[in-house]
Amino acid sequence: AQSVSQHNHHVILSEAASLELGCNYSYGGTVNLFWYVQYPGQHLQLLLKYFSGDPLVKGIKGFEAEFIKSKFSFNLRKPSVQWSDTAEYFCAVTGNNRLAFGKGNQVVVIP
Amino acid sequence: NAGVTQTPKFQVLKTGQSMTLQCAQDMNHEYMSWYRQDPGMGLRLIHYSVGAGITDQGEVPNGYNVSRSTTEDFPLRLLSAAPSQTSVYFCASSWVQGGTEAFFGQGTRLTVV
Repeated sequence: AQSVSQHNHHVILSEAASLELGCNYSYGGTVNLFWYVQYPGQHLQLLLKYFSGDPLVKGIKGFEAEFIKSKFSFNLRKPSVQWSDTAEYFCAVTGNNRLAFGKGNQVVVIP
Repeated sequence: NAGVTQTPKFQVLKTGQSMTLQCAQDMNHEYMSWYRQDPGMGLRLIHYSVGAGITDQGEVPNGYNVSRSTTEDFPLRLLSAAPSQTSVYFCASSWVQGGTEAFFGQGTRLTVV
């Protein structure tokens, strides 16, 4: 079964700072990769996804992620965060009929 | 287009009680799944279904039952609630598993006392 690791579970930063969240996965087959965001009190929403092609994918709200196959990584980045980016971020990978999630990164942006 | 609808939004149960969490989607998705979300644990897969009449266990299936009699509905049954089942439950659906985005319901916050 696939597994997903996310580091730095709690991140606190100021507005305009850059954000990078790490995601590593383990799975022997072909994978599809996702980042989901969960704003306080809400359900999960898709931020971006990678299926194939250009390993640098752009999502909503200025987020982007880079797939590095040799490192089994799919890190999320945003050059300049806003207070409204305060949320929990989940990396996810599909494989073997399952969508597996990491434990999440709780990001707090201070105005 | 309602997407994925979960009911109820909040529920308090006593230990040993049973209940069913409802999940319905109107997107004609083949794949549906149930997750529980606990602090620091992320989302863990309970059960999933790749189509009507087909279900399978996920990562944490014990204490839960599912069935998929129609494409639209995927209820989750707690047979005998335990305090360890206190959690937020999310239902999700997608066209097929592996290649498409999953859509999530608003969640059910369950407390077992």
